[in-house]
Amino acid sequence: GQNIDQPTEMTATEGAIVQINCTYQTSGFNGLFWYQQHAGEAPTFLSYNVLDGLEEKGRFSSFLSRSKGYSYLLLKELQMKDSASYLCAVKDSNYQLIWGAGTKLIIKP
Amino acid sequence: SQTIHQWPATLVQPVGSPLSLECTVEGTSNPNLYWYRQAAGRGLQLLFYSVGIGQISSEVPQNLSASRPQDRQFILSSKKLLLSDSGFYLCAWTMKTETYGYTFGSGTRLTVV
Repeated sequence: GQNIDQPTEMTATEGAIVQINCTYQTSGFNGLFWYQQHAGEAPTFLSYNVLDGLEEKGRFSSFLSRSKGYSYLLLKELQMKDSASYLCAVKDSNYQLIWGAGTKLIIKP
Repeated sequence: SQTIHQWPATLVQPVGSPLSLECTVEGTSNPNLYWYRQAAGRGLQLLFYSVGIGQISSEVPQNLSASRPQDRQFILSSKKLLLSDSGFYLCAWTMKTETYGYTFGSGTRLTVV
């Protein structure tokens, strides 16, 4: 079966750095996506990785290792507005997105 | 630029009543379209997806149905709602290319009472 695992909840302090991990086992791989979802709102796109390595976009970076079936999202200089759920998703061999359950990130002052 | 519209934003319906949620996409053609449901504090559950007009794939057998009467219109329906149908319903679209992720509509929060 297809499976994506990420921690249920994480807590971090404003101004700090946090890393959210995602491991996946899917039938085929055509890219990994990270989405941010604030409570009561729709998910919004954060990043896309299809090759191994680090993609940096402002305060957010995403890393991929295809051989390990592993990715992480790194958030730097945390702000209170970063409190949200972060969803990891993988495009499988049929180009359909398989979703993780999401990681709820709580930022404390 | 492409935009996706979904309505209504909130809906309170009695058990046994019908349902119709509509989603339209602008600024693109021949998109893949999706309906998801998200229970409170849970992940996204794929309900239906469509790769073209009249082509609907169902992922979860239930009392919901979907239709795609036009290229950029996707409708989620039910003849008789159940309490368990309550949740946050999201429509999404993507291009038929590898690198595109999904873009979501703003969602409909459905409460069945």
